Amino acid sequence: AQKVTQAQTEISVVEKEDVTLDCVYETRDTTYYLFWYKQPPSGELVFLIRRNSFDEQNEISGRYSWNFQKSTSSFNFTITASQVVDSAVYFCALSLPKLSFGAGTTVTVRA
Amino acid sequence: GAVVSQHPSWVICKSGTSVKIECRSLDFQATTMFWYRQFPKQSLMLMATSNEGSKATYEQGVEKDKFLINHASLTLSTLTVTSAHPEDSSFYICSARDLWGGDTQYFGPGTRLTVL
Repeated sequence: AQKVTQAQTEISVVEKEDVTLDCVYETRDTTYYLFWYKQPPSGELVFLIRRNSFDEQNEISGRYSWNFQKSTSSFNFTITASQVVDSAVYFCALSLPKLSFGAGTTVTVRA
Repeated sequence: GAVVSQHPSWVICKSGTSVKIECRSLDFQATTMFWYRQFPKQSLMLMATSNEGSKATYEQGVEKDKFLINHASLTLSTLTVTSAHPEDSSFYICSARDLWGGDTQYFGPGTRLTVL
């Protein structure tokens, strides 16, 4: 069975603060993909990143960065210097290849 | 690139009627599309996997006669909610998997269905 856990239900920060979203996954497979998606209030899921199980290199894209630790089965996401436009629900997902989504973390960035 | 459209974006219908939702991959071919359902403040629940030219595969607990899926081409899948009832009211989201994109699923904007 595969499972994705996002322990943080809601996070509220003031603009310019850093935000780290935790994601822990479970799978017995050795080959898999991990994803992060953003769902703003409009409802559309926006693809942020894909990482395959053999690539543990961390990635940075602008204010976004991801830390993949296979040893702890974690794929955490950090937003640096948060902005109001970052307010959304963020989902971590595991693909085998059907996507299993975590429960999501609601991020609210206050001006 | 990797744009998925969904139509309609919202629909209100009377109980007992059927509603068809279209999902299109606009700039890539998708042999596989997925249909999800999302309740307020909850995560996405996979309903079915739609493969071009073959029957859809439904997740456990999803009524295939209630939610008819057709994937007639490499860019179009449709979900028909038959004899809709108020409990079918939900946010329905489709996704299309880019065959050349390492299993990445790109999502449509969703369809909000309200059954009166």
